[in-house]
Amino acid sequence: KQEVTQIPAALSVPEGENLVLNCSFTDSAIYNLQWFRQDPGKGLTSLLLIQSSQREQTSGRLNASLDKSSGRSTLYIAASQPGDSATYLCAVFRSGTYKYIFGTGTRLKVLA
Amino acid sequence: EAQVTQNPRYLITVTGKKLTVTCSQNMNHEYMSWYRQDPGLGLRQIYYSMNVEVTDKGDVPEGYKVSRKEKRNFPLILESPSPNQTSLYFCASSHVAGGIGELFFGEGSRLTVL
Repeated sequence: KQEVTQIPAALSVPEGENLVLNCSFTDSAIYNLQWFRQDPGKGLTSLLLIQSSQREQTSGRLNASLDKSSGRSTLYIAASQPGDSATYLCAVFRSGTYKYIFGTGTRLKVLA
Repeated sequence: EAQVTQNPRYLITVTGKKLTVTCSQNMNHEYMSWYRQDPGLGLRQIYYSMNVEVTDKGDVPEGYKVSRKEKRNFPLILESPSPNQTSLYFCASSHVAGGIGELFFGEGSRLTVL
């Protein structure tokens, strides 16, 4: 059974810091992995989608990496800003199924 | 604008009173899915649909029904709501090409069952 874990559950950093959010999964038979952002009371917004054949994806200040063999993905945020404060969730899409399995998220607060 | 629209956004109801949460997408996506989000439990899938008239259970389907009569709509039906169905519900959709691609989410529907 696929399990997705995100550590830490919460993180506070001063503005301007580079930071890394972690996502680990137990079954390496994945089709892709997505990182999402969720603001309080809002829906989820897809940030980056990494296919299983890829090692990383970049969008602006965000970079996500994927290591299937070790069951890990990281989301790197460069030069963090207060506007980056949100909950970040990762989700893996398991090969042969039709569902994403979500982690419980990391709640990020960037202090001005 | 590409979007997934859910209604209602907020609803308070009483035990046993049937309700429907609507979901509509304008991206011609084949895949649609319902999730519930609860503190400490994260997002859990209720039902999903790969296309019109094709639906299947997710991880927590008990107490819910769905239908997919049109490609753009995927309503979630609670025939006899109970307090343990108080939750934040999300609808999502995606294009299918070999597998499920980028997921687009609605804004969420907060349901309280008294």
